[in-house]
Parts: sequence; structure tokens; C-alpha cells
Amino acid sequence: NAGVTQTPKFQVLKTGQSMTLQCAQDMNHEYMSWYRQDPGMGLRLIHYSVGAGITDQGEVPNGYNVSRSTTEDFPLRLLSAAPSQTSVYFCASRSGGWETQYFGPGTRLLVL
Amino acid sequence: EDQVTQSPEALRLQEGESSSLNCSYTVSGLRGLFWYRQDPGKGPEFLFTLYSAGEEKEKERLKATLTKKESFLHITAPKPEDSATYLCAVRVSGGGADGLTFGKGTHLIIQP
Repeated sequence: NAGVTQTPKFQVLKTGQSMTLQCAQDMNHEYMSWYRQDPGMGLRLIHYSVGAGITDQGEVPNGYNVSRSTTEDFPLRLLSAAPSQTSVYFCASRSGGWETQYFGPGTRLLVL
Repeated sequence: EDQVTQSPEALRLQEGESSSLNCSYTVSGLRGLFWYRQDPGKGPEFLFTLYSAGEEKEKERLKATLTKKESFLHITAPKPEDSATYLCAVRVSGGGADGLTFGKGTHLIIQP
């Protein structure tokens, strides 16, 4: 079991560029979510999915899109990167219980 | 608005010096309080879930307790490998996004 994997580990973008942060899990978890972590702030929920084909917005969804075509994958798309999106992004997955939530290693994104 | 406040922001202890980390919360309908450990450059790792006031859980040198307004993470005779950032999070009722609300964390350093 690889658990939750995220790619890339680090990325530098210019303002206005687009990119996709990849997240995959091999635990057959229904629930997946994306958080961002900024200095001096707690993790904040961006988008989440309760199963393949079902996604919804979290606390800070603006500027991000998601889709869930398979159980395993939950990519996060930045349509037009802005410096305010400089952050560390964590993907998480869980089965029914919150005790089973696992986080990926994170993607560090720098937008210039 | 749901709020989670952790204190202190940072704590430096000598090896073997016991202490407690605090997580106070103001939420409408607590459905669970969670403690995570986060090592530098890694994703959060689940430690405990507490659901009702008076509940306690232990794992090695860590013990988590819950009251109606706050939770404590007690660390007994810590070792250098306990150095990490400890995150508190809550799950609330009343609909809304399927996610956790996190505090900013307590950065714990255990000196040998």
C-alpha cells in the first residue's frame, strides 16, 4: 500500500499559468479532500469528494477546480495561478470513519 | 463562526519534562475533536479522536482529554522524537462541507 501519493512535490509557477496537482490513493477510500496550509494559519478545506463523480466546495474554493472520475484519483486544478495561491497543498482520503483519514506528503507551490 | 485556538504556539521542553498543550474550541455542535501530529515536510498523522466531555485516550507518552470547551494533549516524560507540530481539529454538525476545522498548531521541541 502506497497510501496517499501526491505529485509534484514542489512546483514554481508564474502568475496566470495553470497546472494540476495530482492526488491518488490505493486504499479504496470513498472520501477525498484537498487542504491548503499557510504559515500562521490552520489547514483550510478547498474541495472535497464523497465518491466518484461527486464533488463539493470547502471553505476556500475560489480559483480551484476538482473532478473525481475514479475512486483512486482526485486532481486539483489551478486555472490561472495567483501569488495568493502560494501554499502547501495536502490531499487526504478516508473510508467512513474520520479515524481512517490519511494525508499525503504535500505539494509545495510557489507562484511568482 | 466555528473557531479552534491552540496554545501555546510554541513550546520547548527538556527531555523528560512533562507538559500539556491546549486546544479551545467555540463550535455549534461538536461531532468530534481530533489531534494530529505533523513532522516537518510531511502531512498530518492521525493521533486521537474524542467525542464527548470526559473522554480520554492514550497512546505511548500522549494522553488526550476533552471538556465541553477545550481539549488537552498531555505529554509525559517526552523524548526528542516527540518533537513535532501538534494540530487540533474539530468536526461540527449542521451540514456544510465534509471536512475538519483546524487550529494553527503547537510547535513542540524536546531538547535532549
